[in-house]
Amino acid sequence: DAGITQSPRHKVTETGTPVTLRCHQTENHRYMYWYRQDPGHGLRLIHYSYGVKDTDKGEVSDGYSVSRSKTEDFLLTLESATSSQTSVYFCAISEGDYFVGTQYFGPGTRLLVL
Amino acid sequence: DAKTTQPNSMESNEEEPVHLPCNHSTISGTDYIHWYRQLPSQGPEYVIHGLTSNVNNRMASLAIAEDRKSSTLILHRATLRDAAVYYCILRDARGGSSNTGKLIFGQGTTLQVKP
Repeated sequence: DAGITQSPRHKVTETGTPVTLRCHQTENHRYMYWYRQDPGHGLRLIHYSYGVKDTDKGEVSDGYSVSRSKTEDFLLTLESATSSQTSVYFCAISEGDYFVGTQYFGPGTRLLVL
Repeated sequence: DAKTTQPNSMESNEEEPVHLPCNHSTISGTDYIHWYRQLPSQGPEYVIHGLTSNVNNRMASLAIAEDRKSSTLILHRATLRDAAVYYCILRDARGGSSNTGKLIFGQGTTLQVKP
């Protein structure tokens, strides 16, 4: 198994509160991704990182911010959680060349915003 | 991004081979064909990928049509643990700033394996 963990694994929060999800890798890979998965939409890219302090937006980045101060950690923050952000969040790391390298996914974080 | 088309669902009997088809008629010459699967309540996992030639690994085989407009993922002996959603994904091998390396997941094929 690729050394990738996510925390917390489950979280219930209230609308308007900030939430931070953590992705941690032990593989020293340069590229990391945050996806969300919703019924009927498959997985969609939120943000990605191509190195320490190098991040960029994906297709559904509104309402989310990310930070990467160390190679091993990629944080996803919901500044003010909304019910539409109830979802399952997956972190992934990319081995090798980012455009074709195998991506390894974490176990996911189930977030419920009430 | 080139699009893929897969059947919504398929059924198989345990210990029988399974052929999961994928159509990608607009594939470009630099697109790799990747397969991932997602078991219930887990993150997606890599299965196999190829460019032009057929590929084999410990999990599966990938058969690619000569014109590359379609491919088939082959599970040689399905087990109950193979019940999952299988995604066929095209990935552009060209780098550059416009290529994020993201995986574009469609709806995939839900494989049911019957004992």
